[in-house]
Amino acid sequence: DAGITQSPRHKVTETGTPVTLRCHQTENHRYMYWYRQDPGHGLRLIHYSYGVKDTDKGEVSDGYSVSRSKTEDFLLTLESATSSQTSVYFCAISESRGGTGELFFGEGSRLTVL
Amino acid sequence: GNSVTQMEGPVTLSEEAFLTINCTYTATGYPSLFWYVQYPGEGLQLLLKATKADDKGSNKGFEATYRKETTSFHLEKGSVQVSDSAVYFCALGPNDYKLSFGAGTTVTVRA
Repeated sequence: DAGITQSPRHKVTETGTPVTLRCHQTENHRYMYWYRQDPGHGLRLIHYSYGVKDTDKGEVSDGYSVSRSKTEDFLLTLESATSSQTSVYFCAISESRGGTGELFFGEGSRLTVL
Repeated sequence: GNSVTQMEGPVTLSEEAFLTINCTYTATGYPSLFWYVQYPGEGLQLLLKATKADDKGSNKGFEATYRKETTSFHLEKGSVQVSDSAVYFCALGPNDYKLSFGAGTTVTVRA
């Protein structure tokens, strides 16, 4: 199994509070991704990173920011959580450019915003 | 832009039944196509892939053939087991640095 750890695995928070989700990998893969999974929508890309300090927006990036200061860590931050951000968040990594090789996924972080 | 459309679920089958999940795509160029599977409580994992037209991907008894003429990549398994109960995602890439996923199809296999 690919070495990907997401934390926290479960979190309940209130509207307006900041939340940070962490993805940690031990594979030294260059590319890292944050997806959210919602019923009827499948997986939607929030942000991705193609190297340390190199990040870009995905299709649903509003309300989210990311940072990657080390190869192994990719942080997703909700500056002011809203109920629409209640979701399951998945981190993924890949050795090659996304879509040309296999993506390895973490086990997910379930976030509930009350 | 590039995208995939897969059949909506949920799909409920009896053990040993034949499973087909339809997936069609829209793309420029020559994308690679993938099927990912998500077992309950887990993240997604790659099931199979095909990188060019007429390629057949196969794994764990599942197969899918990359059909350029019909822009399709349907997933099939001849005899499903209870352990095949999962959510199946069709995906296409590359789309810039990204993989584009379908909405997912939930499959439940009854004993």
